[in-house]
Amino acid sequence: EIVLTQSPGTLSLSPGDRATLSCRASQSVSSTYLTWYQQKPGQAPRLLIYGASRRATGIPDRFSGTGSGTDFTLTISRLEPEDFAVYYCQQYGNSVTFGGGTKVEIK
Amino acid sequence: QVQLVQSGAEVREPGASVKVSCKASGYTFTGYHMHWVRQAPGRGLEWMGWINPNSGDTSYAQKFQGWVTMTSDTSISTAYMELSRLTSDDTAAYYCVRCHYDRSGYSYFDYWGQGTLVTVSS
Repeated sequence: EIVLTQSPGTLSLSPGDRATLSCRASQSVSSTYLTWYQQKPGQAPRLLIYGASRRATGIPDRFSGTGSGTDFTLTISRLEPEDFAVYYCQQYGNSVTFGGGTKVEIK
Repeated sequence: QVQLVQSGAEVREPGASVKVSCKASGYTFTGYHMHWVRQAPGRGLEWMGWINPNSGDTSYAQKFQGWVTMTSDTSISTAYMELSRLTSDDTAAYYCVRCHYDRSGYSYFDYWGQGTLVTVSS
């Protein structure tokens, strides 16, 4: 099973700041199968980025994804108030695993 | 528009079973695998498995093999997840999730149900 490790666990930032979230895989993951989700309290997760770098429909361009192999990054260029949430990476190779999540909180 | 509407919250005693339903609308039900993901209170996301409504084929995460059963009824575009031998560790929100596959090889969860809270308590 591929283990995804997200860091940091919590990111304390202010609106307007840049957020950089990391997702590291225990073995190589095809970029095709690396996805990022956003989850707000009391809500289901929402698709943000698929294929490591492709924004889902309706996702603002302040969200971007990069990476390959075992290291992937989600960047939020300028945090808006609605961006404070928990972010999960996921891989879908021969099975599905999620990272433990990074909480982006208001500083 | 695509919608996945799940059944309501459930309370079960330890050792019992629970069956959660997920009614799909707005797309061809048999055209997409349906996955199930759970989330314990304050915890992360845990993948449970999938069903192909077109064939009835299933694939379960190793952890859940032998105690989860995923089924579907194509006549009413509804998927089901049944979990048996419940313990307090199974207290969680259970989500059905549509999985998008395309010819480019991208696979991702594009639509999520609203979640069904299952509480296991004596």
